[in-house]
Amino acid sequence: NAGVTQTPKFQVLKTGQSMTLQCAQDMNHEYMSWYRQDPGMGLRLIHYSVGAGITDQGEVPNGYNVSRSTTEDFPLRLLSAAPSQTSVYFCASSYSQGVGTGELFFGEGSRLTVL
Amino acid sequence: AQKITQTQPGMFVQEKEAVTLDCTYDTSDPSYGLFWYKQPSSGEMIFLIYQGSYDQQNATEGRYSLNFQKARKSANLVISASQLGDSAMYFCAMREGGGGAGKSTFGDGTTLTVKP
Repeated sequence: NAGVTQTPKFQVLKTGQSMTLQCAQDMNHEYMSWYRQDPGMGLRLIHYSVGAGITDQGEVPNGYNVSRSTTEDFPLRLLSAAPSQTSVYFCASSYSQGVGTGELFFGEGSRLTVL
Repeated sequence: AQKITQTQPGMFVQEKEAVTLDCTYDTSDPSYGLFWYKQPSSGEMIFLIYQGSYDQQNATEGRYSLNFQKARKSANLVISASQLGDSAMYFCAMREGGGGAGKSTFGDGTTLTVKP
């Protein structure tokens, strides 16, 4: 059982480049989300989705795009990378509250450095 | 205003002793969920324990228990009989309303170090 799979695990970009962080889950979870974690800080929500075709902004959405064409996949696109986007990115998924506790299942994280 | 506050940036505990990690939260939604996650130095995020706002009893999961004081809006994590493997960063998080935890708010975390 793969759970939540994120790729790539490491990436170095130059300012202005674009890239896509891939995220896939095989647990049939309705909810998927992207967080970023900066050094010594907690996770901040970038974008989230409550189902295929439905996405919404989180706390820090600027500079990022998402789409949810299938239940399984939730890619995060950096449109024009900036040094301020250097961070560790986590993709997460969850059931709705009605199924268990609704806790987050996380990918292993993607460490992005923007030069 | 910060919705989740963890006031202890770092904590030390002796092996086999108990430790309490503090978390206070702020919400006006009567329905919410509180979560604790562990992040070891390897970086992965591990779910530990959950408390729902309507739960009458404090949650427990093995050596983890959640001291839920609703009127004070606190949800402290208690780890009993600390082990060296408990050394990690611990995050308190909150989901407001129903639905999954996908739209959770996290605190800044507490780094716990267990001393042998």
